[in-house]
Amino acid sequence: AQSVTQLDSHVSVSEGTPVLLRCNYSSSYSPSLFWYVQHPNKGLQLLLKYTSAATLVKGINGFEAEFKKSETSFHLTKPSAHMSDAAEYFCVVRPPSGTYKYIFGTGTRLKVLA
Amino acid sequence: KAGVTQTPRYLIKTRGQQVTLSCSPISGHRSVSWYQQTPGQGLQFLFEYFSETQRNKGNFPGRFSGRQFSNSRSEMNVSTLELGDSALYLCASSIGTENTGELFFGEGSRLTVL
Repeated sequence: AQSVTQLDSHVSVSEGTPVLLRCNYSSSYSPSLFWYVQHPNKGLQLLLKYTSAATLVKGINGFEAEFKKSETSFHLTKPSAHMSDAAEYFCVVRPPSGTYKYIFGTGTRLKVLA
Repeated sequence: KAGVTQTPRYLIKTRGQQVTLSCSPISGHRSVSWYQQTPGQGLQFLFEYFSETQRNKGNFPGRFSGRQFSNSRSEMNVSTLELGDSALYLCASSIGTENTGELFFGEGSRLTVL
């Protein structure tokens, strides 16, 4: 069965320091992988997606993620955190099974300290 | 291109009442999914409609129902409201035929049940 695990429910970083949000997935085949961000009382916005092209994916607002098949990971990184990055982040897996289902992680709340 | 539109954005109901929420997808998108988001349970999948047919269903009681119209607009209905139904209800649309397509979310409908 396919699943996705976000390893940290909360992450705190200081402004200007790197961000690392961890995501591991379980899938029989190479899935499509997404990172979404949600600001308070807002919908989810797509940050980036991996669909079996380049393993290093660049997204909006300086975020990027690397698909590592051997580690079944898709961690989200940003070199320098900004106050506006404070939000909840969701890792999402879409198995290529034709069921058109999306599997959401439980989310990581990022706090950015001044 | 207009995004996903959800109405109403906020509503307050009392226990036992029913509620109908509406979602207009991005033009050309044939798939609409609904999610319930609460602090305790996180983001939970309700159901997905594609071309007026329910294609996927989450694990919610029969009080939660939905439908999709020929123009791809979707509604969800919750009958006999309970306090625990208080949540942010998110709608997402996608093209619906690609294995790699992403979801586009609306801003959500915030339901408070008193």
